[in-house]
Amino acid sequence: GAVVSQHPSRVICKSGTSVKIECRSLDFQATTMFWYRQFPKQSLMLMATSNEGSKATYEQGVEKDKFLINHASLTLSTLTVTSAHPEDSSFYICSASTGGIGYTFGSGTRLTVV
Amino acid sequence: DQQVKQNSPSLSVQEGRISILNCDYTNSMFDYFLWYKKYPAEGPTFLISISSIKDKNEDGRFTVFLNKSAKHLSLHIVPSQPGDSAVYFCLTGGTSYGKLTFGQGTILTVHP
Repeated sequence: GAVVSQHPSRVICKSGTSVKIECRSLDFQATTMFWYRQFPKQSLMLMATSNEGSKATYEQGVEKDKFLINHASLTLSTLTVTSAHPEDSSFYICSASTGGIGYTFGSGTRLTVV
Repeated sequence: DQQVKQNSPSLSVQEGRISILNCDYTNSMFDYFLWYKKYPAEGPTFLISISSIKDKNEDGRFTVFLNKSAKHLSLHIVPSQPGDSAVYFCLTGGTSYGKLTFGQGTILTVHP
């Protein structure tokens, strides 16, 4: 079946640095990628939707300059957390849709900013 | 309106026995279902998933069953181990829109 590989699974970074999270569709072309974040004791919340070759659409309240999303190819989408702060520490997960064969999710990234 | 419900907030099982966690959903557009496990102070970790074209998916001790007509999802853990003690979330999504919907979670405790 369709697989999305998300890396890294865990990352610790210093405050003020940037962190890049990658999601790759391994055996299909992902026309649309979704990025989610889980806040403590809350459900996963959609951050943004990206379509290959175009700008991402951010949900209300999500800072697009802080959470940079790039979907430059049909198999790769990246989320870069810029100038990370401790409050950005969270669980981030991507999901990919082809619009045709279905829908699959990455295994998530645990980001800790110290 | 709670579209995904895990009606049992907690479940206690003896080591070696079967654990069955349940999840009900209301939106017939949902066609992708996942289970995640979460330990305290950690992020959820992916366990197992199933798409609507299947009614069963098995991975080691974990089996997910999907009953589309009843809009019901269940996770079976056999045999249960103390290390399985965690919060289990079911998540659903649909190919038509991408947004995941989360259940409230069930706390599983496996006693030695």
